[in-house]
Amino acid sequence: GAGVSQTPSNKVTEKGKYVELRCDPISGHTALYWYRQSLGQGPEFLIYFQGTGAADDSGLPNDRFFAVRPEGSVSTLKIQRTERGDSAVYLCASSPGLMDTQYFGPGTRLTVL
Amino acid sequence: DQQVKQNSPSLSVQEGRISILNCDYTNSMFDYFLWYKKYPAEGPTFLISISSIKDKNEDGRFTVFLNKSAKHLSLHIVPSQPGDSAVYFCAASGDNAGNMLTFGGGTRLMVKP
Repeated sequence: GAGVSQTPSNKVTEKGKYVELRCDPISGHTALYWYRQSLGQGPEFLIYFQGTGAADDSGLPNDRFFAVRPEGSVSTLKIQRTERGDSAVYLCASSPGLMDTQYFGPGTRLTVL
Repeated sequence: DQQVKQNSPSLSVQEGRISILNCDYTNSMFDYFLWYKKYPAEGPTFLISISSIKDKNEDGRFTVFLNKSAKHLSLHIVPSQPGDSAVYFCAASGDNAGNMLTFGGGTRLMVKP
């Protein structure tokens, strides 16, 4: 079956611009997670959703970052006024329920020039 | 402060021999531990997990050992195969964090034919 998909696979933008990163979870998975992986490091938690609501957004670095999941399926991570330090691979994962194994997408590589 | 640490950034092993990857954690609230494997340009893939009520879990060539008193876990791969060459991440979660995962920095395993 189809796994988690993320678009775009690569995004290059200029400092100060706005970007949106999309995640399509596995069909039927109620929990969805966003992580960020900087070069040479492990993924770091950003936010997770149970259904449509953000259950925990404590990992978002500042208020330039925002994520939505309006219909409980697709999620969009939005970054305003991008900075060079935002450059990283943004990973999305989904799981059937909150305490189940997380399945990751291939990630979106964001480069801020 | 890194709560999950993988102190060896890389490991090289001969095909057929045992690979041992190590992971240490500091947060005593963690009660569930996982290993993920990551190939370049792909998302992490779940490999094996262990609950804190166990000290060993085995799945084919992969075995995870947990030493709660030492806050240490290890992944054993035997026999190692060239296709096992990848970056391995240790991750942990605790009851009070939903299923938010805290990752280590990863260990790059190279299995030589």
